[in-house]
Amino acid sequence: DIQMTQSPSSLSASVGDRVTITCRASQSINSYLSWYQQKPGQAPKLLIYTASTLQSGVPSRFSGSGSGTDFTLTISSLQPEDFATYFCQQSYSLPRTFGQGTKVEIK
Amino acid sequence: QIQLQQSGPGLVKPSQTLSVTCAISGDSVFSNSAAWTWIRQSPSRGLEWLGRTYYRSKWYNDYAVSVKSRITINPDTSENQFSLHLNSVTPEDTAVYYCAREFVSVYGFWGQGTLVTVSS
Repeated sequence: DIQMTQSPSSLSASVGDRVTITCRASQSINSYLSWYQQKPGQAPKLLIYTASTLQSGVPSRFSGSGSGTDFTLTISSLQPEDFATYFCQQSYSLPRTFGQGTKVEIK
Repeated sequence: QIQLQQSGPGLVKPSQTLSVTCAISGDSVFSNSAAWTWIRQSPSRGLEWLGRTYYRSKWYNDYAVSVKSRITINPDTSENQFSLHLNSVTPEDTAVYYCAREFVSVYGFWGQGTLVTVSS
């Protein structure tokens, strides 16, 4: 199985801050990487797929980059509604695997 | 708009079978480009992909090795839904279970989640 490792596990930030979350795959996954946002009591919501393609309806302050084994999710200016947990997920091979999550909290 | 609506019991006894159903609206279980998937989430295991069913002229299934001996994912073509059955459950199977639609390898649509507790 491909292991997905996110860092940090949690972070504290203020509204307006630029936030960066990284995800590393245990082997190359080309660009088969997605990012999800999850709020308490809700299902994950797709933000970005194929590493850098923004899902329809997702604000442009979210962006993704990377290929191979190293990927980044960036929120350019953190908004109150962005406080949540973020997960990466690879779709290069089965089983699909997810990172352990990064919780973004209010400073 | 595609929607997935889950139903199923929230409490299952150890050694019994956990069953959750996902009703599809706005798409067909026969879609030749989607795969109908079950994912669970627990504090100890995080998000864990369990398996999927999909139709490509015939039905196919893929399952996670960790549950392969205990899991069945079935399409219900008459009701346009699919179901998860996990037998011989233990407290380690306590989790929120999600159904999701995989399309071009991403999960754009999810069910609302079903918390299933395994306890006597």
